[in-house]
Amino acid sequence: EPEVTQTPSHQVTQMGQEVILRCVPISNHLYFYWYRQILGQKVEFLVSFYNNEISEKSEIFDDQFSVERPDGSNFTLKIRSTKLEDSAMYFCASSGMRGEKLFFGSGTQLSVL
Amino acid sequence: LAKTTQPISMDSYEGQEVNITCSHNNIATNDYITWYQQFPSQGPRFIIQGYKTKVTNEVASLFIPADRKSSTLSLPRVSLSDTAVYYCLVARSGNTPLVFGKGTRLSVIA
Repeated sequence: EPEVTQTPSHQVTQMGQEVILRCVPISNHLYFYWYRQILGQKVEFLVSFYNNEISEKSEIFDDQFSVERPDGSNFTLKIRSTKLEDSAMYFCASSGMRGEKLFFGSGTQLSVL
Repeated sequence: LAKTTQPISMDSYEGQEVNITCSHNNIATNDYITWYQQFPSQGPRFIIQGYKTKVTNEVASLFIPADRKSSTLSLPRVSLSDTAVYYCLVARSGNTPLVFGKGTRLSVIA
């Protein structure tokens, strides 16, 4: 089965630093998403991305967050100035068509110290 | 989107059939029901999706009554490896995002 690949699997950073989380969605997929999951809590939607622009975003996705598809294969989530509360598992997902099932990556565990 | 309610946790012995029921009283005509599975430290994985009646695949069955106000995920003959969190989601065709609730934590014991 095709996979969504995320790197790194773990990222440790100091508060206030910028981090970039990387994802390689499934090659023929057109819709891309970021979700996050704080330890012990539910999976939360952050942003969806289609046709090189944000389709929807949640309240969590404030000005500190940005997404980019810099080339034909990567999809990145940037957090400009990390806060302690940004510590979470970040999942990238992709789907072929709008409303189709999502394929999730294995996640990047972000720890902000 | 319709809010979903499902049990917080369930226990089962290996080899038993497990049924997890989800209620979604405010489901709309255009909504469909989707179930995902999540193992610790992994992303959610799609299990099954349906609109009405019964859907079956190699992993599970999904039963949806005529009023569509609830649905039941059926896992036949569970094994230890089926221990996971199972999420019931109601999604509108063509609409994103998927909104996850707290899910049902299934523990399978030998």
